[in-house]
Amino acid sequence: AQKVTQAQTEISVVEKEDVTLDCVYETRDTTYYLFWYKQPPSGELVFLIRRNSFDEQNEISGRYSWNFQKSTSSFNFTITASQVVDSAVYFCALSATGTASKLTFGTGTRLQVTL
Amino acid sequence: DSGVTQTPKHLITATGQRVTLRCSPRSGDLSVYWYQQSLDQGLQFLIQYYNGEERAKGNILERFSAQQFPDLHSELNLSSLELGDSALYFCASSEGQGGGANVLTFGAGSRLTVL
Repeated sequence: AQKVTQAQTEISVVEKEDVTLDCVYETRDTTYYLFWYKQPPSGELVFLIRRNSFDEQNEISGRYSWNFQKSTSSFNFTITASQVVDSAVYFCALSATGTASKLTFGTGTRLQVTL
Repeated sequence: DSGVTQTPKHLITATGQRVTLRCSPRSGDLSVYWYQQSLDQGLQFLIQYYNGEERAKGNILERFSAQQFPDLHSELNLSSLELGDSALYFCASSEGQGGGANVLTFGAGSRLTVL
């Protein structure tokens, strides 16, 4: 069975602060994929990143960065210099090869960025 | 705009009724997925179709059914509705058959309220 845990239910920061969203996963598969999706107040789910289990290289995209550590089964997401537009619910998700993209989602972390 | 179109955006109905949610996938995508987002259960995979055929089933109730038509649009039918069926129903699409690497593109969702 697969499981994704996002222990932080809600985080509030002031604009320009850095914030890290934690994601811990469990799977018995050796090949798997990890994802982050963003759900802004408008409700849609927006894809942010995909990482496969063989690629532990960290990734940076603008103010976003991701830290994948297989040893601790974690795939954390950091937003640098947060902005009000970053306010959303962020979901971490996991899928294994051959599972027809049945994404297992975490419960989400609600990020509130204020001025 | 993700390219995945869902209708209706909002739907209010009574217990015991039946509703149909419709989804048009992104151009070129052959797979369609349905997910349910509720406060109790979070984001849960319901079912996947690839090119008209059912490919994977998740936690879909027997009162729910889906199909994908030759033009690749999909419909999710929910019958004998109960209060607990109130949720945001997402459709997503992907290009391939649905291996774990597939990135799903989500629609804006259909919010169902059962009174």
